Amino acid sequence: QVQLVESGGGLVKPGGSLRLSCAASGFTFSDYYMSWIRQAPGKGLEWVSYISSSGSTIYYADSVKGRFTISRDNAKNSLYLQMNSLRAEDTAVYYCARDKGGSYMTFDYWGQGTLVTVSS
Amino acid sequence: QSALTQPASVSGSPGQSITISCTGTSSDVGSYNLVSWYQQHPGKAPKLMIYEVSKRPSGVSNRFSGSKSGNTASLTISGLQAEDEAGYYCCSYAGVSTLGVFGGGTKLTVL
Repeated sequence: QVQLVESGGGLVKPGGSLRLSCAASGFTFSDYYMSWIRQAPGKGLEWVSYISSSGSTIYYADSVKGRFTISRDNAKNSLYLQMNSLRAEDTAVYYCARDKGGSYMTFDYWGQGTLVTVSS
Repeated sequence: QSALTQPASVSGSPGQSITISCTGTSSDVGSYNLVSWYQQHPGKAPKLMIYEVSKRPSGVSNRFSGSKSGNTASLTISGLQAEDEAGYYCCSYAGVSTLGVFGGGTKLTVL
């Protein structure tokens, strides 16, 4: 069965950095585009970043462009999000999600999420 | 890119039908048949309920249906059940410059 397990969240000071990881299993990871999506406490979902199956094509939301870097290691079945220059407004649960093949911005499997708190 | 517009809340009694709207623009909902809907129970990850406007993933009840007219997509839940009480989010592809945008979410209460 498809599983996505995020890790790496925690408490970080404004301006600090954090690296999130997402371990994938139960499917051929290298065949699928992947995304990071976040949800601030009590708020809605916000798409953050998207990476193609090979890693050659990457997109970011304007709110994180220049600060966050998405990457993947297909040999390790893992997705990453390097977050730098963190701000209070980056506080959220971060989900990794699999893009349903052949349908942009359609996320058919999600991890359980990892909480990132940016506070002094 | 602004979020898609959804009503903050809707409610219905068991057995009734409800519809949740999702209004975008000609740059997103109106231009692509790539609208998806997600159900989220408190403390849980979202679950895909509808994709490509009106398609249901395997395992999703046929009580859930989707449609689109112009810049507005809609999710209809028929035969409401207590377990349908949750948050619902729409999402649309918005082209290569923005990629995608979510709606603000709608809380469904089953009375």
